[in-house]
Order: sequence, then structure tokens, then C-alpha cells
Amino acid sequence: EIVLTQSPGTLSLSPGERATLSCRASQSVNSRYLAWYQQKPGQSPRLLIFGTSSRATGIPDRFSGSGSGTDFTLTISRLEPEDFAVYFCQQYGTSPTWTFGQGTKVEIK
Amino acid sequence: EVQLVESGGGLVQPGGSLRLSCAASGFSFSDYWMHWVRQVPGKGLMWVARIDGNSLIHGSNINYADSVKGRFTISRDNAKNTLYLQMNSLRAEDTAVYYCARGKITLDYWGQGALVTVSS
Repeated sequence: EIVLTQSPGTLSLSPGERATLSCRASQSVNSRYLAWYQQKPGQSPRLLIFGTSSRATGIPDRFSGSGSGTDFTLTISRLEPEDFAVYFCQQYGTSPTWTFGQGTKVEIK
Repeated sequence: EVQLVESGGGLVQPGGSLRLSCAASGFSFSDYWMHWVRQVPGKGLMWVARIDGNSLIHGSNINYADSVKGRFTISRDNAKNTLYLQMNSLRAEDTAVYYCARGKITLDYWGQGALVTVSS
């Protein structure tokens, strides 16, 4: 089973700054099968990025995804107040299974 | 507008049973794989189970996480646009918010969640 490890656990930044979130897999992941979600307190997760780099419907272009193999990155180019949340990466694997990383919290500095 | 609305959560004793429902609207329910994902409040997400779309044509392909296999049963009623999760032999570690979600490789819509608390 592939394990996804996200870093850092918490990212403290100011509005307007750039956020770089990492998701590292214990084995190579098909880039078509890597996604990112955003979750705000008291809300359900929302799909941001699928297939490593494709934005979901309605997601602003300040969100971008990249990576391949075992290393994937979610970048928020300029943080808006509504972007402070927890972010999870997710991969789809054989069996099939769906695995999530433990999350990165982006908090206001 | 796609909507997924869970119901059936609550407090149950260890060893007890509970059935969650997820009412779907705004899309062709039978065309989609559906999932249950759970989250201990303040913690991460764990995929629980998945069922494919149209059991009349393909047969229901179903998969479970190892931690719930043999205790939980996922099912669907396409005529009622409803997804179910029957949970038996519940344990304290099953306490979580349970979300239903739509999708195949990625989960593009999620319900608001139903809280299940297993405690004596």
C-alpha cells in the first residue's frame, strides 16, 4: 500500500504570500491518479486539483499542481484570506484503493 | 446542482449497528462510482468503501478498506438515488464523521457528513 506523507504539517504565512505544499509517496504514483483537496473548518473536502495539475471546476488559477513519480506539489501563488485551510493529497491505487495524506494546515501568520 | 446529503448518524454502543444513507440529486446517480470516506474530527481522511455505478449491467464491484472488511456493507438503490453504508460490530475506533462522495479516480463532490459516535 502506498503511503502519502505531506509536509510541512503546518505552514504559517501572510495573505499575499506564496504557499508551497509537498506530498511525497512511498512508491511511484501514476500522475493521472494524484489529487488535492481543500477543507475548511466545519466543511467537507473540496476537490482542487486532479491528475496532478488540472484544476477542478471553479478553482481559481492561483492554485497549481505539479510533480511526478513520488514527489508532488500544490502551490498557491498568492494567498487570499479564504485559502487558509487544510489541504490533503490523495492517490488512487491498485486493488483499488484511495489513500490520503495526513494534511497540511495553512494558517495565518 | 449536485447534492449529496447524508443521514443516519448518531450514538451507538460498541458492538452495535447503524445504517447511513446518502441521498443524491442533480446528476445521473447510476452513472457514477460512489464512496464512503470517514474522518475523525480534527484528523485526516480515510477511505472506507466504494461501489460502482450500475449493478444491472456490470454487477456491483465493491471494495472495502481492510479495517472495515467483514463489518461494513456498502450498497446502493439507483431507483431511489441513494447510497447506503450498513455498519455492524461497531468499535470505538469507528467514531468519525462519515462522508459520501462521488467519483472514480478522484472524488469530485462530497456530502456534508454524518457523525457516528461509538461509545458506552
